[in-house]
Amino acid sequence: SQTIHQWPATLVQPVGSPLSLECTVEGTSNPNLYWYRQAAGRGLQLLFYSVGIGQISSEVPQNLSASRPQDRQFILSSKKLLLSDSGFYLCAWKSGANEKLFFGSGTQLSVL
Amino acid sequence: SQQGEEDPQALSIQEGENATMNCSYKTSINNLQWYRQNSGRGLVHLILIRSNEREKHSGRLRVTLDTSKKSSSLLITASRAADTASYFCATDAWEYGNKLVFGAGTILRVKS
Repeated sequence: SQTIHQWPATLVQPVGSPLSLECTVEGTSNPNLYWYRQAAGRGLQLLFYSVGIGQISSEVPQNLSASRPQDRQFILSSKKLLLSDSGFYLCAWKSGANEKLFFGSGTQLSVL
Repeated sequence: SQQGEEDPQALSIQEGENATMNCSYKTSINNLQWYRQNSGRGLVHLILIRSNEREKHSGRLRVTLDTSKKSSSLLITASRAADTASYFCATDAWEYGNKLVFGAGTILRVKS
């Protein structure tokens, strides 16, 4: 069966520090991968998605970047965090068009 | 802007009552999906309804889709305290490519 792993669960980082959040999927190949951010009590904002290795689409210009070095690995990064980068980050995957998303358990990032 | 908009933003009911949440969207869709999120956790897929379907059932869940009005509703019958969560609709549309666009969600509280 397919599983998705996202870590860490919580992270507290100072302003200006780097960020690396990792997400891996098991039990499937060539998934579409997604990074979403959720502000407290709000809906999900799509940040990045990828349909294959090295293929990244950015939805919102910002301080973050994403990479997909392997088929089932999706990484969210920042060189220098801003206060506004705080939020709940969710990784998700789906097998193709017209299908449902499977979400990771999320990372609560607090930038202080 | 959000493709899907849920209504109401928050709903508080007694255990045993039915809960109805609505979602409106703007463009033609391939399918519409409903997700549930417990506080601080990832989203869990509940049900997917395709554009050529009008109604779908899953256990105590009933989803309707009216493509002429660009709207959907999620009905939870005989609610339980464990149904307390946020509920999101998400739309899958050709013009959005491989992405799901989420609404802001409805916060449901079921009181025991």
